[in-house]
Amino acid sequence: EAQVTQNPRYLITVTGKKLTVTCSQNMNHEYMSWYRQDPGLGLRQIYYSMNVEVTDKGDVPEGYKVSRKEKRNFPLILESPSPNQTSLYFCASTRDVNTYEQYFGPGTRLTVT
Amino acid sequence: GQQLNQSPQSMFIQEGEDVSMNCTSSSIFNTWLWYKQDPGEGPVLLIALYKAGELTSNGRLTAQFGITRKDSFLNISASIPSDVGIYFCAVNTNAGKSTFGDGTTLTVKP
Repeated sequence: EAQVTQNPRYLITVTGKKLTVTCSQNMNHEYMSWYRQDPGLGLRQIYYSMNVEVTDKGDVPEGYKVSRKEKRNFPLILESPSPNQTSLYFCASTRDVNTYEQYFGPGTRLTVT
Repeated sequence: GQQLNQSPQSMFIQEGEDVSMNCTSSSIFNTWLWYKQDPGEGPVLLIALYKAGELTSNGRLTAQFGITRKDSFLNISASIPSDVGIYFCAVNTNAGKSTFGDGTTLTVKP
């Protein structure tokens, strides 16, 4: 089944403790992206990647890092999480940058205390 | 980044009623997309629009790409309880950036 998977689905952590949210897709998609969703603010793009070893900042990249060492995986790294990063995070992928329809993962709800 | 103004923010309707929502921008785009997010899940694409003036249907859903390329509309006819969710408009740039509207939350009363 074609899908985007994220782990963990839920995470509660403390300020400053490094964490990684994994994202994997099995559709051989070139383009992958991370979003955060906050009430009333829609989905805001954090980082995106047009291919392996190519990453770019979205609209809200501060406090986040990403890497794209393999085509299928696009982990989101929070080196020193803060409470304002409490949010619902979505990973998405699409075939390539010229294909606009994105497939989303199920989401990761992160709480930073 | 780009800003999309989506309205209304929320809607409460009776089952069977028609629904209309829209999205506007001060910038021109070549593609408009509409997604739906069911409670507890990720967004799913409903309709993609690629040409100014284009009118596209998907079952009870109809979307239009504004002729000015700065807006788009989504209509849902004869709403049913499973239409409940958050509807987002979205645009992409050729450089890979993606922008979503703030969403329209739809509640359908049986």
